[in-house]
Amino acid sequence: GEDVEQSLFLSVREGDSSVINCTYTDSSSTYLYWYKQEPGAGLQLLTYIFSNMDMKQDQRLTVLLNKKDKHLSLRIADTQTGDSAIYFCAEGEGKLIFGQGTELSVKP
Amino acid sequence: DADVTQTPRNRITKTGKRIMLECSQTKGHDRMYWYRQDPGLGLRLIYYSFDVKDINKGEISDGYSVSRQAQAKFSLSLESAIPNQTALYFCATSDRGKSSGDEQFFGPGTRLTVL
Repeated sequence: GEDVEQSLFLSVREGDSSVINCTYTDSSSTYLYWYKQEPGAGLQLLTYIFSNMDMKQDQRLTVLLNKKDKHLSLRIADTQTGDSAIYFCAEGEGKLIFGQGTELSVKP
Repeated sequence: DADVTQTPRNRITKTGKRIMLECSQTKGHDRMYWYRQDPGLGLRLIYYSFDVKDINKGEISDGYSVSRQAQAKFSLSLESAIPNQTALYFCATSDRGKSSGDEQFFGPGTRLTVL
């Protein structure tokens, strides 16, 4: 069945770039998503990319999609302590398949 | 006011008890979902509903049931709770046919502990 995989933890220093990686198995999805979960809260959509795009940039966020390798990444430039959260990769249409979530820790 | 609300926010219960978690939304969305979140496992889909008369099992529906009472309400029941159903439960909604993809809007979660 469909599967989405992420590493569980990432630690960076404030001001550095963070790169969160994701691999997926279902190549038919029209969209792929990044959701952010702050402590004690539900998930919120951070950004998404259409499957026929290679890259999408939105302020400090850059999403890269490699369809051949089924690899999605999220780069956060100039990472701040407020970026500390769990980041989920997801793919699908109608119903989504989520990865395990990557906990990003930003140290001052 | 929150667009997606869940009640209760926290619940502690005993093995064998029947539990109902409720979700309401004011977004006017047709689609509603129930997920559970466990550390290291991410979110797993329990049930989903694309409209009032549509109910579908997700990845982990065993031990759970749902009711879509109205477009705005979707309830999750645990008929006989067991300790491995201890988790954080999220309700979500989405609007079909959006050109920006299937963005889902999440409630704040219900933390359920089964002793």
